[in-house]
Amino acid sequence: DVKVTQSSRYLVKRTGEKVFLECVQDMDHENMFWYRQDPGLGLRLIYFSYDVKMKEKGDIPEGYSVSREKKERFSLILESASTNQTSMYLCASSLRLAEHYRNTGELFFGEGSRLTVL
Amino acid sequence: AQKITQTQPGMFVQEKEAVTLDCTYDTSDQSYGLFWYKQPSSGEMIFLIYQGSYDEQNATEGRYSLNFQKARKSANLVISASQLGDSAMYFCAMRVVYNNNDMRFGAGTRLTVKP
Repeated sequence: DVKVTQSSRYLVKRTGEKVFLECVQDMDHENMFWYRQDPGLGLRLIYFSYDVKMKEKGDIPEGYSVSREKKERFSLILESASTNQTSMYLCASSLRLAEHYRNTGELFFGEGSRLTVL
Repeated sequence: AQKITQTQPGMFVQEKEAVTLDCTYDTSDQSYGLFWYKQPSSGEMIFLIYQGSYDEQNATEGRYSLNFQKARKSANLVISASQLGDSAMYFCAMRVVYNNNDMRFGAGTRLTVKP
């Protein structure tokens, strides 16, 4: 079974703190994703990585950065946490959705990290 | 970037009846995949069903089927014979093959199955 592990289920941080959210997958997937989930807004893509050291901005990258030094690990960094970053953060990994649909390209999700910024 | 729209924030269905959850999408890409995920109150994201843009037949997985109408850019999820355990959030998502190959989600629909 594919396993995507997020380092912390619950975090409470103070405004201005630097926050690291870690995500590790064990299936040698090329692609990894960070989303935040808020009620009524669904899942919004923060950053996406398609290879080691490669990253692409999603829809809401402001206030976040990412790091992918190894294929299995994708970290989300909040340089200076703010109260509007209080949210559920979901990490996911997948194979690339390829031409001729060699695979379905579905995402495998971690359990989520609920971050509260006070 | 592709856009996914789910216009039903909440839906109710009687147990054992069928229900359709709506999803429309917008993209200029010709090659893409459409996905539905279920998120129960426990929070896990469960992959339900997939449809490729070149698939001519609608996808089915057990009680789930995807009503794919390419010209209308819609990908509705149909759940037959609803069960109490189907009560959850349901998300429609889309992934393009080219460009970034990233995945975008809709806002979700909360389905409640009544006994």
